[in-house]
Amino acid sequence: EVQLVESGGGLVKPGGSLRLSCAASGFTFSSYSMNWVRQAPGKGLEWVSSISSSSSYIHYADSVKGRFTISRDNAKNSLYLQMNSLRAEDTAVYYCARETSYYDILTGYQHYYFEYWGQGTLVTVSS
Amino acid sequence: SSELTQDPVVSVALGQTVRITCQGDSLRSYYASWYQQKPGQAPVLVIYGKNNRPSGIPDRFSGSSSGNTASLTITGAQAEDEADYYCNSRDSSGNHLGVFGTGTKVTVL
Repeated sequence: EVQLVESGGGLVKPGGSLRLSCAASGFTFSSYSMNWVRQAPGKGLEWVSSISSSSSYIHYADSVKGRFTISRDNAKNSLYLQMNSLRAEDTAVYYCARETSYYDILTGYQHYYFEYWGQGTLVTVSS
Repeated sequence: SSELTQDPVVSVALGQTVRITCQGDSLRSYYASWYQQKPGQAPVLVIYGKNNRPSGIPDRFSGSSSGNTASLTITGAQAEDEADYYCNSRDSSGNHLGVFGTGTKVTVL
């Protein structure tokens, strides 16, 4: 059974830092790209960052670029998000999500989607 | 960056059919995936690819696409289908799955 378990959330003051972790199990972690997605209270889903299976390709949303750093340790089956210079608008539930991709020979398309999600960890930025 | 637009609220009578749409330029190049989210829970994948359902998702959920519009249809909506639904696709650069729709709240009457 695939499991993604986030941890590390909590209350932090503006300008502070926090490191989120996501422990993966039930699949070959080193074979999949991983993502962080967040959801502010009462708002929609917002993609935050992605990292390829070997950490070769990393992308960030403009809203967090330069402040957040995604990383992974394939030996520990773990995904991380280092969050610095936190702002009130970073307050959200942060989910880690496994990205799956496959080539559909019938349509000729490469498909990408978030196949599994963790339960999320709440980050609150407030003084 | 790309954007995906959804109607904010859609209502459906119990047992009837509802279609949720998602519009955006990136959908001309990539199929959308769809996620159901109930209050206090993580999102759950319901449709991916051209029209594929993960194991455990009822066959009343189906997906389709035309041009810049993707649709999620619930045929014979049940009370438990009341939830928020989000579409998602790769962004126009093709580099990441960084585009979520604005979300649709489905109410089952």
